[in-house]
Amino acid sequence: DSGVTQTPKHLITATGQRVTLRCSPRSGDLSVYWYQQSLDQGLQFLIQYYNGEERAKGNILERFSAQQFPDLHSELNLSSLELGDSALYFCASSVDPAQETQYFGPGTRLLVL
Amino acid sequence: GDSVTQMEGPVTLSEEAFLTINCTYTATGYPSLFWYVQYPGEGLQLLLKATKADDKGSNKGFEATYRKETTSFHLEKGSVQVSDSAVYFCALTPGGGGNKLTFGTGTQLKVEL
Repeated sequence: DSGVTQTPKHLITATGQRVTLRCSPRSGDLSVYWYQQSLDQGLQFLIQYYNGEERAKGNILERFSAQQFPDLHSELNLSSLELGDSALYFCASSVDPAQETQYFGPGTRLLVL
Repeated sequence: GDSVTQMEGPVTLSEEAFLTINCTYTATGYPSLFWYVQYPGEGLQLLLKATKADDKGSNKGFEATYRKETTSFHLEKGSVQVSDSAVYFCALTPGGGGNKLTFGTGTQLKVEL
């Protein structure tokens, strides 16, 4: 158990819908990262937050957005969902951006029908 | 941009066999290198890491040496067990501090009795 929690574990929804994935980092970690794992794209970095501020952006679609709240939990919002958004979404955390070890949560499996 | 190349899987071995999973990288500067493992139905776990050239990371019998001259970080284990069956990901973060992880495509390892 890494100490990173993600909810829900599974999510099934329809095209065009909007969903919110939630992540709670390890106690004491200020930096949160989101990754997408899909069969065709592999594991890709989406976005990073540090202490509530966006720190780095990767291959995140405009339909996706994220934020980190004062209690340091983070949410990833996916809207206008398409079939191709079906994937495993991981959250990871680290103490701060200078700490290179990221600890991963168990992931949320999203299925868009 | 940065990239990681891993050998294709699946790799099938008998228990107690020697394991090598090749990993090479392309990056500017001085990246940090990682191996993560994903067991079936679970999230990613950090297996080992190395932060500078000639460093050797080791954990649970697995080892990998950061070779700057060959831009490689091959994973080895002298005697694999059935419980090592998983997907192994090689990854890097850019030099200068923790940031987004760039992953290879993953190599599935199957160990049989």
